[in-house]
Amino acid sequence: GAVVSQHPSRVICKSGTSVKIECRSLDFQATTMFWYRQFPKQSLMLMATSNEGSKATYEQGVEKDKFLINHASLTLSTLTVTSAHPEDSSFYICSNLAGGETQYFGPGTRLLVL
Amino acid sequence: AQRVTQPEKLLSVFKGAPVELKCNYSYSGSPELFWYVQYSRQRLQLLLRHISRESIKGFTADLNKGETSFHLKKPFAQEEDSAMYYCALKFASGSRLTFGEGTQLTVNP
Repeated sequence: GAVVSQHPSRVICKSGTSVKIECRSLDFQATTMFWYRQFPKQSLMLMATSNEGSKATYEQGVEKDKFLINHASLTLSTLTVTSAHPEDSSFYICSNLAGGETQYFGPGTRLLVL
Repeated sequence: AQRVTQPEKLLSVFKGAPVELKCNYSYSGSPELFWYVQYSRQRLQLLLRHISRESIKGFTADLNKGETSFHLKKPFAQEEDSAMYYCALKFASGSRLTFGEGTQLTVNP
């Protein structure tokens, strides 16, 4: 299946700073990538759908100015958490859509905002 | 709106026993259903999808449109099956997945 990597795997930052998370599709050109958020012992919640060369589509309740998504190439999508606060601490996971049918997931990025 | 329900957050069985992880969905159309598994400290990975009608690692799942269910079954559970299992629904080709809450399966020796 398609391989997805994320960087960094873990990040700790101070409140008020911005954090960028990269999601790379290593062996597949993905026109569509998804960003999820997962709280401890809870399910994945879709935050936004990232489309190469166009604006991301955000789910209801997700602030687009807070969570900036850039999908500048077929292999890279980035999620920037702007002015992070402790409540943004979470596990962020991306996935790509390989062949239009199956989603392959990255290993996730754990964000801790102090 | 589409919704996926996994009624059991925790499920514990003994090795060799049958296991069934329940999944119910609500969607008026013809969805595509998936089971994803997440082993400890590993990424989420696809276990099986209903349109493939395949058996992976001894697991099977049958889509029951009458009961709107897609339960995951294995006749003889193994310790290495211990993991978090998520049922997911996709309502159209290329669309996003809607996940259930997940079931933590523990297979005891």
